Amino acid sequence: AQTVTQSQPEMSVQEAETVTLSCTYDTSESDYYLFWYKQPPSRQMILVIRQEAYKQQNATENRFSVNFQKAAKSFSLKISDSQLGDAAMYFCAAWWGGSSNYKLTFGKGTLLTVNP
Amino acid sequence: GAVVSQHPSRVICKSGTSVKIECRSLDFQATTMFWYRQFPKQSLMLMATSNEGSKATYEQGVEKDKFLINHASLTLSTLTVTSAHPEDSSFYICSASPLEGPATDTQYFGPGTRLTVL
Repeated sequence: AQTVTQSQPEMSVQEAETVTLSCTYDTSESDYYLFWYKQPPSRQMILVIRQEAYKQQNATENRFSVNFQKAAKSFSLKISDSQLGDAAMYFCAAWWGGSSNYKLTFGKGTLLTVNP
Repeated sequence: GAVVSQHPSRVICKSGTSVKIECRSLDFQATTMFWYRQFPKQSLMLMATSNEGSKATYEQGVEKDKFLINHASLTLSTLTVTSAHPEDSSFYICSASPLEGPATDTQYFGPGTRLTVL
């Protein structure tokens, strides 16, 4: 079975500091994409960052960056200079499938609290 | 770009009635849309894959006769909850990815619909 695991149900960080959210996955597929989505209290799912599995270079979007370790099947999210608006549920997700039957598989999420 | 809308955002209905939820991709076309269900403080659970011009594909355990999906065009998919019961109360979210361009592998999500069945 293809799975995405987030082992940290909750994390907290002080404003302006850095926090890393962990994610591991398991798949036999060679072609896949990895994502981090943010879900604030409004419950709108917002794309944070995207990583193609065939690319070795880690994706970066402003204060958000990933540490993609393909051999270890690890995909962590680092948030630098944390802001109050970063407080949300963060979901790690993988887009994979065979025979064009692609689906998005989510982890259980990590609730991030940002302390002022 | 890549905006997905859902309507309605909230709906309250009586037990036994049917409710239709619309999902629209506003600035792109999508041959495939996805419907999810989310319970409080839980992750998204995929219910079905909506395919334009063909039948939807349902995940194991999802009743296809209860959750009717119609993908009538490249920008619209609808989910109809038939004969709704209180246990169908939940937050329903749709997603879609662009048919063309650099982000065909990326899902963009609608704002969700909160369904309450009395």
